[in-house]
Amino acid sequence: EVQLLECGGGLVQPGGSLRLSCAASGFTFSNYAMTWVRQAPGKGLEWVSGIIDSGGSTYYADSVKGRFTISRDNSKNTLYLQMNSLRAEDTAVYYCAKVGSATVGYFDYWGQGTLVTVSS
Amino acid sequence: QVVLTQSPSASASLGASVNLTCTLSSGHSSYAIAWHQQQPEKGPRYLMKLSSDGSHSKGDNIPDRFSGSSSGAERYLTISSLQSDDEADYYCQTWVTGTWVFGGGTKVTVL
Repeated sequence: EVQLLECGGGLVQPGGSLRLSCAASGFTFSNYAMTWVRQAPGKGLEWVSGIIDSGGSTYYADSVKGRFTISRDNSKNTLYLQMNSLRAEDTAVYYCAKVGSATVGYFDYWGQGTLVTVSS
Repeated sequence: QVVLTQSPSASASLGASVNLTCTLSSGHSSYAIAWHQQQPEKGPRYLMKLSSDGSHSKGDNIPDRFSGSSSGAERYLTISSLQSDDEADYYCQTWVTGTWVFGGGTKVTVL
């Protein structure tokens, strides 16, 4: 059974940093691209960042480019999102999602999400 | 840049059917999409991948009541025999190298 378990969310002040983790199990993690998707309170889904299976290519939404860094440790089956210079508008539930291929494609499994609140 | 357009809301009676539409922007009518369901206070769940020719592949344990079809730039999700727990937000999603895109979502209300 595929499982994706996010952690690392919490309350952080504007300008602060946070690192999210997503522990994966039930599939060969190193064979699939992974992404982060967020959902602000009462809003729709917004893609944030993606990384291919090897970690050799990373992608970012314009809204987070230069502030967030996605990475993965295939030996630990774990996906990360380092979030710096956080703003109030980054407040959201952050989901990790497995991509159905090594590079791009649809999301076939989702985590349960972790809440990030940016507020003073 | 591909854009996905969804109607904000849809409703139908318990036991009836509802059809949701996701429209791809001009020049992108050949793109495949995926449909995802998000029940209240829960994370999203993958329903199916839907290609431009209407072929689709469903996620784990997705009932036969959920089906997909395509016509031109439009991608459809049909939910038959509506049940109360089908009341949810439904999102379409597509992708190109380097980016993933969501539609704005359709809120389905079961009357």
